[in-house]
Amino acid sequence: DAMVIQNPRYQVTQFGKPVTLSCSQTLNHNVMYWYQQKSSQAPKLLFHYYDKDFNNEADTPDNFQSRRPNTSFCFLDIRSPGLGDAAMYLCATSKAGEAYEQYFGPGTRLTVT
Amino acid sequence: DAKTTQPNSMESNEEEPVHLPCNHSTISGTDYIHWYRQLPSQGPEYVIHGLTSNVNNRMASLAIAEDRKSSTLILHRATLRDAAVYYCILRDDLDNAGNMLTFGGGTRLMVKP
Repeated sequence: DAMVIQNPRYQVTQFGKPVTLSCSQTLNHNVMYWYQQKSSQAPKLLFHYYDKDFNNEADTPDNFQSRRPNTSFCFLDIRSPGLGDAAMYLCATSKAGEAYEQYFGPGTRLTVT
Repeated sequence: DAKTTQPNSMESNEEEPVHLPCNHSTISGTDYIHWYRQLPSQGPEYVIHGLTSNVNNRMASLAIAEDRKSSTLILHRATLRDAAVYYCILRDDLDNAGNMLTFGGGTRLMVKP
């Protein structure tokens, strides 16, 4: 089945130690998104790629970066994780121009020790 | 994106219909009304969307008020698996750059056996 895959499902990192979360998709969608969801809160968009064009949300900290080497893969890099960055990170994809649904992966739960 | 207002939580009995309300009094003419739900420990999933007319699909029905300032997601027979947080989101159809979603607080639906 076509889907959005996130690895790993659980990630533990140390305070200040860079960490990379990965997302892949078999849907061939040209838009990929990264959301952050803290405990008991709604998902919050960090940034998205429209094809190769990167679009950062205004309030996304500089500590968060992203890479999209090809259509299928997208990475979220946290350069110096703080305790406040502990959250569920959700990857999603959609087709641009159809104005319809986003497909979400299962998320990666990040713990910062 | 225009804002939506939903009750924080609702409770339903299994196999009974559920009506989840959403107010969006500042909706614009190009805003689509989207519903997503998030089951425990999973990423959000698309439920339904509409513009002006009521919509039905295999998961639910969407009833849109004539003035479009409110809508109701209808689950015809709630099951235990429908226990989730339901998000009502407005998405501007003019925003073809990336189909971004801005999640609000959502309604936590609890289903009693």
